[in-house]
Amino acid sequence: GDSVTQMEGPVTLSEEAFLTINCTYTATGYPSLFWYVQYPGEGLQLLLKATKADDKGSNKGFEATYRKETTSFHLEKGSVQVSDSAVYFCAPFGGSNYKLTFGKGTLLTVNP
Amino acid sequence: EAQVTQNPRYLITVTGKKLTVTCSQNMNHEYMSWYRQDPGLGLRQIYYSMNVEVTDKGDVPEGYKVSRKEKRNFPLILESPSPNQTSLYFCASRGESSYNSPLHFGNGTRLTVT
Repeated sequence: GDSVTQMEGPVTLSEEAFLTINCTYTATGYPSLFWYVQYPGEGLQLLLKATKADDKGSNKGFEATYRKETTSFHLEKGSVQVSDSAVYFCAPFGGSNYKLTFGKGTLLTVNP
Repeated sequence: EAQVTQNPRYLITVTGKKLTVTCSQNMNHEYMSWYRQDPGLGLRQIYYSMNVEVTDKGDVPEGYKVSRKEKRNFPLILESPSPNQTSLYFCASRGESSYNSPLHFGNGTRLTVT
């Protein structure tokens, strides 16, 4: 079945630092790729998505590019803020079992 | 406001005492799903439902039951809870107009079984 490996956390950065959270996946066919974010005490919410190779998803200053050749969907942000502190989940969707598969999550803490 | 509502937010119970966690969505979504979130394990799917009266097992269905009698509701039932079911539970829904539609999550139910 589908699987996803994302960067182990926790990640601690200072405000305005550059962020990369790595994500690689294995899936049959051509999955859509999602990043979800979970703020403290809340459920997950969609951060961004890409549905085909070379697509770039972006939202709130975050970006991720669908790289089919490396089966990767790394999350980046040029200048993080304290309010970006959250858990981030990479999730491919599709393949033969019509299912969203979540990575284990990466906890990001941004200090002022 | 479009939302997925779970109740209760927090629940402490004892081994063997049946409980139900409710989930309701107001977006007329066909697809609904339950997940549990555990440290180091991420989110794992318990059960899902593609539509009314259609339910299927996810990755970790043992010890859980669900029902989908109406489109908006998808309760999670623990007939005889055990301590290894202590976890954070999330309900989610998605419309089927496009399989690329994002999941909408509730705010979670933190369950402790002693």
